[in-house]
Amino acid sequence: SQTIHQWPATLVQPVGSPLSLECTVEGTSNPNLYWYRQAAGRGLQLLFYSVGIGQISSEVPQNLSASRPQDRQFILSSKKLLLSDSGFYLCAWSAQGAGYTFGSGTRLTVV
Amino acid sequence: GENVEQHPSTLSVQEGDSAVIKCTYSDSASNYFPWYKQELGKRPQLIIDIRSNVGEKKDQRIAVTLNKTAKHFSLHITETQPEDSAVYFCAASKSTNAGKSTFGDGTTLTVKP
Repeated sequence: SQTIHQWPATLVQPVGSPLSLECTVEGTSNPNLYWYRQAAGRGLQLLFYSVGIGQISSEVPQNLSASRPQDRQFILSSKKLLLSDSGFYLCAWSAQGAGYTFGSGTRLTVV
Repeated sequence: GENVEQHPSTLSVQEGDSAVIKCTYSDSASNYFPWYKQELGKRPQLIIDIRSNVGEKKDQRIAVTLNKTAKHFSLHITETQPEDSAVYFCAASKSTNAGKSTFGDGTTLTVKP
């Protein structure tokens, strides 16, 4: 069966520090991968998606970036965090035309 | 791009009553409509979905209906229980668009015992 791992679960980072969140999927090949952000009490905003290794599409201009160095690995990064980057970050995967399976999420607080 | 609106934003019902959450979408090419349940502090989980070639789908106490002409779809929960309390999100996507889903803003459902 397919599983998705996301880490870390929580993170407190100072403004201006770098960020690296990692997500890996097991039990499937060539999944569609996504990074979403959820602000407190709000909906889910798509940040990046990827349909294959090295293929990244950005939905929202910001100081975040994403990379997919391997088929089942998706990384969200920032060189310098802003206060506004705080939120709940969710990685997800899907097969084409199917629903999402979300990772357990990373709660990021920028102080 | 796609825009999904979800109503109501909060819903409170008595245990045993029914709950209905409605969503509208803007892109007539959208053809896949999932619903997710998110309990406090946890990840959203897919609970039911419907494709554009189907008008209604049911799974035990939950059902989803789709009106393609009006571009709206709804989640129906019957015989609600306290464990149904959560935030529910609707979403819309196109199979030709890398599976990207546009989400509604969520409905906080509270089931009072």
